[in-house]
Amino acid sequence: AQRVTQPEKLLSVFKGAPVELKCNYSYSGSPELFWYVQYSRQRLQLLLRHISRESIKGFTADLNKGETSFHLKKPFAQEEDSAMYYCALNQFYFGTGTSLTVIP
Amino acid sequence: DTGVSQDPRHKITKRGQNVTFRCDPISEHNRLYWYRQTLGQGPEFLTYFQNEAQLEKSRLLSDRFSAERPKGSFSTLEIQRTEQGDSAMYLCASSEQLAGAIYEQYFGPGTRLTVT
Repeated sequence: AQRVTQPEKLLSVFKGAPVELKCNYSYSGSPELFWYVQYSRQRLQLLLRHISRESIKGFTADLNKGETSFHLKKPFAQEEDSAMYYCALNQFYFGTGTSLTVIP
Repeated sequence: DTGVSQDPRHKITKRGQNVTFRCDPISEHNRLYWYRQTLGQGPEFLTYFQNEAQLEKSRLLSDRFSAERPKGSFSTLEIQRTEQGDSAMYLCASSEQLAGAIYEQYFGPGTRLTVT
């Protein structure tokens, strides 16, 4: 079965501190992984996908097939990063999300 | 094009009534997806279309749920004989689909259903 686990429902960090949002997946094949973000009162939107290997808004995520993880990282959190973050596997399978709050 | 649109944005209905939601995708997108999202959960995949063909419907929650995309453009999701447990946000998304690649999904604002 395909599954995504985001172990942290809530995460708070201070502005300027590093942030890591965890994502683990279960899939026997070669995965396609995504991070979606939902800012307050906005619709869900793509933040980044592993295949593009881009850094978006300072965020990066590395696929680790050995650990079946795709953690999202940013070295210096900003207040505008406060949002709900969802990890997604192969288009259809979303995690339960992590609510990130960046404290000024 | 203003992105994916959904109508209505909110729907309150009494238990046992039927409801229908509409989704208009981005015009050049040939894939369309429906999800349900309940409080504290991520989007839960229901079904999707490639043009007018419904390629996956086994994840529809029960036989009370059905979806159509008759001309490969807009889609409707119908819930018959609604139950209180159907109360949720229903999300629609669309994407391109070329040669087996997986493309970014663009989400609509959702339709919030409340069953009383």
